[in-house]
Amino acid sequence: AAGVIQSPRHLIKEKRETATLKCYPIPRHDTVYWYQQGPGQDPQFLISFYEKMQSDKGSIPDRFSAQQFSDYHSELNMSSLELGDSALYFCASSLDGDYEQYFGPGTRLTVT
Amino acid sequence: AQTVTQSQPEMSVQEAETVTLSCTYDTSESDYYLFWYKQPPSRQMILVIRQEAYKQQNATENRFSVNFQKAAKSFSLKISDSQLGDAAMYFCAYRRTRSQNFVFGPGTRLSVLP
Repeated sequence: AAGVIQSPRHLIKEKRETATLKCYPIPRHDTVYWYQQGPGQDPQFLISFYEKMQSDKGSIPDRFSAQQFSDYHSELNMSSLELGDSALYFCASSLDGDYEQYFGPGTRLTVT
Repeated sequence: AQTVTQSQPEMSVQEAETVTLSCTYDTSESDYYLFWYKQPPSRQMILVIRQEAYKQQNATENRFSVNFQKAAKSFSLKISDSQLGDAAMYFCAYRRTRSQNFVFGPGTRLSVLP
């Protein structure tokens, strides 16, 4: 069965640079969630989208923005990167009305 | 705000034995969903088991079962006949409604000893 796809899987950036992470949900899923998992931490919710509209917002820094496109894929844009942004970024998708979220493999971002 | 607590940072179990991981949560909601996710060294988040709060019957998935105590706000995971492949970080997660994000606990690292 098709799963959530995230690209790239690994990304290395320098401080103050910009990064864009992409997420392709499972076909027909209309809701996308972004989570950030720092080293040794539990995943923290950043932001979610339902039908291309922001549906909920968590602890997402102002330097980050995200959107969901007409094909339901989502992009997380991260600017003015800081060392503390180094983390594993998960995308998850679900079909609204279904309580189960399906997680992608994550993008490991390293900021040097 | 909802919080999820896992009081055991690390646990170990002998292969083929049974282990129970604890989870408590705080919420004022009456309808919600609870999950256990497994994160092996690959870091992939894998759903182990889920429970709807309105269901009194404890969920079971093969060797995995939960003890859901709604009044006590407790949601423990029991792993029977532990296998080496069960070694991972286990996260308890809460979700208020079907379209809301997860709130994760801090995780319990489970080691399985041969």
